[in-house]
Parts: sequence; C-alpha cells; structure tokens
Amino acid sequence: EAQVTQNPRYLITVTGKKLTVTCSQNMNHEYMSWYRQDPGLGLRQIYYSMNVEVTDKGDVPEGYKVSRKEKRNFPLILESPSPNQTSLYFCASSLSGAVETQYFGPGTRLLVL
Amino acid sequence: GQQLNQSPQSMFIQEGEDVSMNCTSSSIFNTWLWYKQDPGEGPVLLIALYKAGELTSNGRLTAQFGITRKDSFLNISASIPSDVGIYFCAGQLLDGQNFVFGPGTRLSVLP
Repeated sequence: EAQVTQNPRYLITVTGKKLTVTCSQNMNHEYMSWYRQDPGLGLRQIYYSMNVEVTDKGDVPEGYKVSRKEKRNFPLILESPSPNQTSLYFCASSLSGAVETQYFGPGTRLLVL
Repeated sequence: GQQLNQSPQSMFIQEGEDVSMNCTSSSIFNTWLWYKQDPGEGPVLLIALYKAGELTSNGRLTAQFGITRKDSFLNISASIPSDVGIYFCAGQLLDGQNFVFGPGTRLSVLP
C-alpha cells in the first residue's frame, strides 16, 4: 500500500531536549515536505526537498533542520525545541512536487513543555 | 504573508442536509485546492480547480473557482456521518510559487 509514515505519532518533550520526527514514503517520490498545522493558521511549509541531498527552506524554517540522505526518508529535527513549536506536523511526498499530487502522512502531534 | 479566510469556522448540520462553505482572499489565485482531513489523519485532496468559473464535482462534492479569482466554494449534498472532518482550501498565487492553506471549516454531522 502506497503510504507516508511518520513516527512518533504523539510526543511530549521538554524545552531544549533534541528530538527527531521521522518520515518515510514507499512510493519512490522525489519531492518531500514538512508542514506544521496550528489552530486558525492552516498548514505552513517548514522545509522541502526536491531530491536526495537537496533541501530548501519553506515559509517557517526557524528552529528546524532536515536531511535527505535517502530518497525514502526525510526526518525533521528540532535541535532545541521550544514551546512555540508545539504543533501538529505533517510530512508529505509527491512524484513531481506539484502540491495537488502530494500524499500526506498521518501527522505527529508534538507538545513542548 | 498571504492569508486565506474560510467560512464558516465550524458548522453542525443534520444528516441529509446540504452544506456550503467558502474560501476567500484579497489576492488573486490561479489554482484552488480543496482537502478533507479526518481526525488523526493527514489531509486528502478532494478537488482541484484551475480556471476561473470552473465547476468540478467529485461524487456528492462540488467546488467552484470564483469568477473574481479571489474565492472558491465547496458544496456537499445530502451529507452523511462520514463527511465529518475539517475541510480546508489551498490557493496558489499568480506568481506560481508556494500554496497558501486556509485554516479550515470543521464539519459535524448529526444523525
């Protein structure tokens, strides 16, 4: 089954404790992306990657890092999480990068205390 | 940054009723997308619109690209319990850059 998986699905952490949210897709898609979703604001893009070893900042990249060492994986790294990074995070992938062709993962709900 | 407004923010309807919601902006868009997000799941694309005035259906769902290019509408006919979720729009500005996502309309269907 074609899918985008994220782990963990739920995470509670404390300020400053480094964490990684993993994202993996089994569709051989070149384009992958991370979004955050906050009440009243809609999805905002954090980082995206057009291909292996190619990553670019989205609209809200501050406080986040990503890497794309393999085509199927696109982890999101928070080196020093802060409470304003409490949010619902979605990973997405697509073959071409066109937004309308993106498959979204199930989301990771993060609470930073 | 650019913002999309969605109306209503939430709605409670009776099963079988028709639903209308809209997405508006002060900017002009060249593409509109409508998504549904079920609880605990990621968004799923429902309908994509590419031309002003375009009317597109997907089962009981119909969406329209507003003539002014600043708005879009989604209608759901004869609602059923599985229509529950958050519906949100996304628009691509004329410069063809990133999409802007709306905050969503939360739909509840009462049996």
